[in-house]
Amino acid sequence: SAVISQKPSRDICQRGTSLTIQCQVDSQVTMMFWYRQQPGQSLTLIATANQGSEATYESGFVIDKFPISRPNLTFSTLTVSNMSPEDSSIYLCSAVGAEAFFGQGTRLTVV
Amino acid sequence: GESVGLHLPTLSVQEGDNSIINCAYSNSASDYFIWYKQESGKGPQFIIDIRSNMDKRQGQRVTVLLNKTVKHLSLQIAATQPGDSAVYFCAEKTTSGTYKYIFGTGTRLKVLA
Repeated sequence: SAVISQKPSRDICQRGTSLTIQCQVDSQVTMMFWYRQQPGQSLTLIATANQGSEATYESGFVIDKFPISRPNLTFSTLTVSNMSPEDSSIYLCSAVGAEAFFGQGTRLTVV
Repeated sequence: GESVGLHLPTLSVQEGDNSIINCAYSNSASDYFIWYKQESGKGPQFIIDIRSNMDKRQGQRVTVLLNKTVKHLSLQIAATQPGDSAVYFCAEKTTSGTYKYIFGTGTRLKVLA
């Protein structure tokens, strides 16, 4: 299966700042998704990153807080804006080719 | 709303025994299901999948069973090994409009030596 490179792998950020997470796939994929995973919990879908158009957000997630870009079929970014400690979590990029696979995740701590 | 849930949050099994991890889903329109394994500090790793037109699929030491009548999915791991210790998630692919993958609660599998 394809490989996803996600960076940064971890970061510690000050509240009120923003962090942009990058997701690079080594082959073209049809769909890309962003998930959030709180420690010890399951994955919650934030949004579907649509190539060349606005992302499709799930209930409880909004574009102003989590702007997403997907300029081509192999790359996407997720920005966590105006962070608070409640945003501390693992953020995961997923891509769908023959199957749905994941990057290693970004562990974000907001202090 | 849609949900995919698991019956047991933690499962402990003796090394060499078989493990069975269960999952219930609520969207009868879902047509594709995946089991993932997640080790500490890593992203979920694809294990095995099954389409809704099947009721059983086998891989290497793993079998997935799908019962659409009761909307139940299970993952069977034969001869469980210490390396199988991880959290296991089921996910369903929903196809209302565009498609997306919804994850279940997760089961932590502990393999006892």
